[in-house]
Amino acid sequence: NAGVMQNPRHLVRRRGQEARLRCSPMKGHSHVYWYRQLPEEGLKFMVYLQKENIIDESGMPKERFSAEFPKEGPSILRIQQVVRGDSAAYFCASSLEFGAKDEQFFGPGTRLTVL
Amino acid sequence: GDSVTQMEGPVTLSEEAFLTINCTYTATGYPSLFWYVQYPGEGLQLLLKATKADDKGSNKGFEATYRKETTSFHLEKGSVQVSDSAVYFCALSPAAGTALIFGKGTTLSVSS
Repeated sequence: NAGVMQNPRHLVRRRGQEARLRCSPMKGHSHVYWYRQLPEEGLKFMVYLQKENIIDESGMPKERFSAEFPKEGPSILRIQQVVRGDSAAYFCASSLEFGAKDEQFFGPGTRLTVL
Repeated sequence: GDSVTQMEGPVTLSEEAFLTINCTYTATGYPSLFWYVQYPGEGLQLLLKATKADDKGSNKGFEATYRKETTSFHLEKGSVQVSDSAVYFCALSPAAGTALIFGKGTTLSVSS
């Protein structure tokens, strides 16, 4: 059973470009969470999605950031007009709809570098 | 709001030494508690968890006990190995289906 998959693993963008980060949850998981890890910091929650719905986006910056989890295909975290401060590791986690309480499985992360 | 505080690192130990990484939390209600480990260049792996007071989570020689009276979930291991070198994160989940709240992480470095 494949784990959570994220791609690309490394992404380099110039200021002003767009970044698209993809996350495929574990098979059977319908809940996806995105977290951001800044250098020397812990992970900070960004957004929680179920299929076709955003459940909680309280951690998302109000501008330039968006996320989706369509009925088919991976979850996408999109950052428009990237700035240097967006450089971070972005982790996706997934969980079962009715599984062990709160157990989230993490992907390997996408490390975004903005030049 | 809910939060997690864990001891600052780095923690530097010799092989076979005893390890303690302190973690305390603030939460309303009855959160679940977790320890995650992150090896260099990799994502987080769940190390152990506890879902109610007095539960003890254990895995790979690591243990942590959910202490409600002291709001703590300290990570311990009796004899560390070089391969345990990593960053350790304490986290809580306020309720099922909610996001995890992480501490800042503690870097452990074990030398032979």
